[in-house]
Amino acid sequence: GQQVMQIPQYQHVQEGEDFTTYCNSSTTLSNIQWYKQRPGGHPVFLIQLVKSGEVKKQKRLTFQFGEAKKNSSLHITATQTTDVGTYFCAGPGDMRFGAGTRLTVKP
Amino acid sequence: DSGVTQTPKHLITATGQRVTLRCSPRSGDLSVYWYQQSLDQGLQFLIQYYNGEERAKGNILERFSAQQFPDLHSELNLSSLELGDSALYFCASSVGPGAPRETQYFGPGTRLLVL
Repeated sequence: GQQVMQIPQYQHVQEGEDFTTYCNSSTTLSNIQWYKQRPGGHPVFLIQLVKSGEVKKQKRLTFQFGEAKKNSSLHITATQTTDVGTYFCAGPGDMRFGAGTRLTVKP
Repeated sequence: DSGVTQTPKHLITATGQRVTLRCSPRSGDLSVYWYQQSLDQGLQFLIQYYNGEERAKGNILERFSAQQFPDLHSELNLSSLELGDSALYFCASSVGPGAPRETQYFGPGTRLLVL
């Protein structure tokens, strides 16, 4: 199966700064999912996007699904140390997890 | 707690040996997935089962095999172990194929160390 491409691989920010990770596919996705893995933990489901142009918010996290349903992004406003971890996107069916973006936050 | 259980939590073995990792999915979930995660790496998809049948195969080595039993628990067998097989092995479960049923719930993982 195909794998979605995710960038950047690493992101180091100062606490309070914003953070964005991007997920891209060469084919149209029926849906995309986002997961977070804390250091030493297991991936935890955050959200699923299904509709073209969809935007969903969870407190300081904003998830977007592109109009063409080929890309997605996760934006965190005013990062906190609790946001530390690796964020993965995953496509549907045979589409596999992206490589993940590892976020570190300097207090 | 995701509701997915994995045993054992830790496993230390020697090269050339064989081990079996066990996973029990969430109640009601029919799909089970296996992933390998090496140190600071991404999630490498190994294999997926749905209701006892193999549904998708990823980068699973020939030395590895898996199955899903009638009670829906799954086992991942790793044989002729090599040092490079040392990794965290995650099991995940979902209701089944097709959104939103594909949301995956991950177990705590089995950390395998091959010496």
